[in-house]
Amino acid sequence: KAGVTQTPRYLIKTRGQQVTLSCSPISGHRSVSWYQQTPGQGLQFLFEYFSETQRNKGNFPGRFSGRQFSNSRSEMNVSTLELGDSALYLCASRGKLNTEAFFGQGTRLTVV
Amino acid sequence: GENVEQHPSTLSVQEGDSAVIKCTYSDSASNYFPWYKQELGKGPQLIIDIRSNVGEKKDQRIAVTLNKTAKHFSLHITETQPEDSAVYFCAAMDSNYQLIWGAGTKLIIKP
Repeated sequence: KAGVTQTPRYLIKTRGQQVTLSCSPISGHRSVSWYQQTPGQGLQFLFEYFSETQRNKGNFPGRFSGRQFSNSRSEMNVSTLELGDSALYLCASRGKLNTEAFFGQGTRLTVV
Repeated sequence: GENVEQHPSTLSVQEGDSAVIKCTYSDSASNYFPWYKQELGKGPQLIIDIRSNVGEKKDQRIAVTLNKTAKHFSLHITETQPEDSAVYFCAAMDSNYQLIWGAGTKLIIKP
């Protein structure tokens, strides 16, 4: 069974640009969550999607948005990038909501 | 809402010794408590979990204990090895099925 796949693995963008990150969950998983992780920091929750609907949302500005498609693949978008958005973005999928989360390798975003 | 505190933030132990990481949670309705290990350059990976109807769970050198009354749970690693060096995260699942994460513990195994 393939794991959670995140693309791209690395990305360099300029301040003010926008970026879209992709996450393909484990086959059959309908929940996808996104996290931001900065050096030395923990897992900051961005949002969770379940069956194409946003279930939960963290405390991030409106520049951070996401969506989920009917095949459960999810994308997150960050508009008007700031230097502080440089981070590792992780997504995690769950089969059922009360079970373990499986993480992808993450996308390393650098904003210059 | 749920809040999870994790201590210590950094733990340095001699190879072969035991390591203990502790987490406390605030919501008595939380009923699922996983522990994740994150190695450099990788995403976190589940190493052990426990549900609130169980007090202790073991998997080889790793064990987790849960005290529902005191609302805390701990990760115990015995006979530590160099490959145990990583960042460890605890989490608690709240009544909305959202995982609330601790801040992480950097475990350093000294040779």
